[in-house]
Order: sequence, then C-alpha cells, then structure tokens
Amino acid sequence: AQSVTQLGSHVSVSEGALVLLRCNYSSSVPPYLFWYVQYPNQGLQLLLKYTTGATLVKGINGFEAEFKKSETSFHLTKPSAHMSDAAEYFCAVSDGDSSYKLIFGSGTRLLVRP
Amino acid sequence: DSGVTQTPKHLITATGQRVTLRCSPRSGDLSVYWYQQSLDQGLQFLIQYYNGEERAKGNILERFSAQQFPDLHSELNLSSLELGDSALYFCASSVASDRRLYEQYFGPGTRLTVT
Repeated sequence: AQSVTQLGSHVSVSEGALVLLRCNYSSSVPPYLFWYVQYPNQGLQLLLKYTTGATLVKGINGFEAEFKKSETSFHLTKPSAHMSDAAEYFCAVSDGDSSYKLIFGSGTRLLVRP
Repeated sequence: DSGVTQTPKHLITATGQRVTLRCSPRSGDLSVYWYQQSLDQGLQFLIQYYNGEERAKGNILERFSAQQFPDLHSELNLSSLELGDSALYFCASSVASDRRLYEQYFGPGTRLTVT
C-alpha cells in the first residue's frame, strides 16, 4: 500500500529564509505526487504536482519540488519565505489506479517569523 | 476559489442524528471525491464517484453513504452520528481526461461538530 511520511509536524523559519518541507513516499509503482497548502479555515489548494517527465517541478507562489526516485522523496522548497506562506502543507501520493484517490501525509505547519 | 462548493459550511448536531453534506463540483468535472480531516486520523479518503457511479471506497464507515446525482452534485450522508465523527469533510472534483485526471480541486469543507 502506498504511504506518505512528512518529517516535522512544525517547521519555523524567518522571513526571507529558505523553506524546506520534507516528504518521503512509499510506492510499488511509479507514483504521482502532489503538494497541497491549507490556509486557516480554508480548503486545500494545489501547489504543484509530479506525474511524469521533468523531476524538478515548479508550482505557484514560488514553490518547487524535486522528485528523487532513488531517495523516494519529494521535498518542497522555496528560496525566500514570506509571511503569507504561513499555513499547513500536505504531501500526497496517488496510486494511479482508476480512482486516482489521494493518500495524504500528516501535514507540516509552516510558521514564518518576522 | 476552486469552483467547488460545499454546503453547509458548519453543522452542529447531536449524537445519534443523521446529516447530509452537499457538494457541487467544478463545471465539467465528472469525478467527485470525499475526504475526512480529523485531528487523530488526518486527511483520509472516504469515497469517489465518477459520472454517477461509485468508483472507489476508502475507510468509509458503514454508517456513511454517498451518491452522485445526474447533475453531478454529490451528497454524503452520515447517520447514527458519534462524537468521533466530528471532523472537517472535504469534497474534491476532477476532470476526466488524460491530461487533467490527476488534479483534484477541493471545496472549502463542511465542519461537522457532534455534541
């Protein structure tokens, strides 16, 4: 069965600092990988996705992620944090069966210090 | 705004009761997914409908059921409610095409509180 592990339930960075949120997946087949962001009292918004092709994926709001098959990782990065990036971030994997349902990690809450 | 709408936004009810959550997918999306977000279980897939038919089931309790209507809106029915059913319930929709099949757009959720 597929699974996703997000290391660190909370990550705190200073405004302007590098953001690194870690995600490792377990999959017996080539996975489809996603990062979603959830702002307080809102639904989930897709940041970026990896399906096939280029392993470095660029998303919205300056975020990007790199698919590393050898490390089974899909870490999310942003060169310079902004106060508005404070939110909860979820990594998800789709097992590619006919449903394409998402299996989520436990989430990482990003805190941005002024 | 994702284009997915969910009603009601908040729902407070008592144990043993039954409620219905409603979801309208984005225009043109044929697939609807339901997810539950709770503090102890995190985000979990419940069930998926595609063009009116059940496509996949996850960890959905027997007390819960769903359906998708001809106009593609979906309803999630929760019955014999327990305190542990208190959670945020999300609906997501997806376009059924090779290029966009993997991308799900989430609604704002319905927060259910069972007292």
